[in-house]
Amino acid sequence: AQTVTQSQPEMSVQEAETVTLSCTYDTSESDYYLFWYKQPPSRQMILVIRQEAYKQQNATENRFSVNFQKAAKSFSLKISDSQLGDAAMYFCAYWTGSARQLTFGSGTQLTVLP
Amino acid sequence: EPEVTQTPSHQVTQMGQEVILRCVPISNHLYFYWYRQILGQKVEFLVSFYNNEISEKSEIFDDQFSVERPDGSNFTLKIRSTKLEDSAMYFCASRLAGAPEQFFGPGTRLTVL
Repeated sequence: AQTVTQSQPEMSVQEAETVTLSCTYDTSESDYYLFWYKQPPSRQMILVIRQEAYKQQNATENRFSVNFQKAAKSFSLKISDSQLGDAAMYFCAYWTGSARQLTFGSGTQLTVLP
Repeated sequence: EPEVTQTPSHQVTQMGQEVILRCVPISNHLYFYWYRQILGQKVEFLVSFYNNEISEKSEIFDDQFSVERPDGSNFTLKIRSTKLEDSAMYFCASRLAGAPEQFFGPGTRLTVL
């Protein structure tokens, strides 16, 4: 069974600084997708970024980028120029066509300090 | 931009009562999901639905739970006899065929007293 591990329950960053959130996963599949979702205090789940396992190039979306290390099964999220609105719980998630459902990590609570 | 909607935003019920949580997925999406999140815990998969039938369900999704797509737009989750431990945030999600991204609704907070 696939598992997703986020080892940092809480992180904090100064406004305008850069922070990296860690995620590791375990799978025997070769074709899969990885996601980062953001959950602000409203508890809405918002898709931040996705990475296809077959792509070597790391995904980027504006201030958000990932460091995908397939051999190490690592998928970290880098937030550059952190803003107060980035404060949220961040979940790493894994998806494969054979399982179909998303498997989530336990989340990292990010605090942005003014 | 199209989005998944859910009603109600908050539901309070007595233990043993039936509840129906409603979702309207994005209109051209074909795959539908329910997840739940107990306060302070991770998001857990409940059930997936495609072509008017359940395609997968988790151990959590026991006989107390059922899903239905009663018409072309709504997707519902019914809990027949609620328990205290059913108190959680319930999220509906949907996705396009051939695309892995799931788009989530704002959730329904269910409180069982």
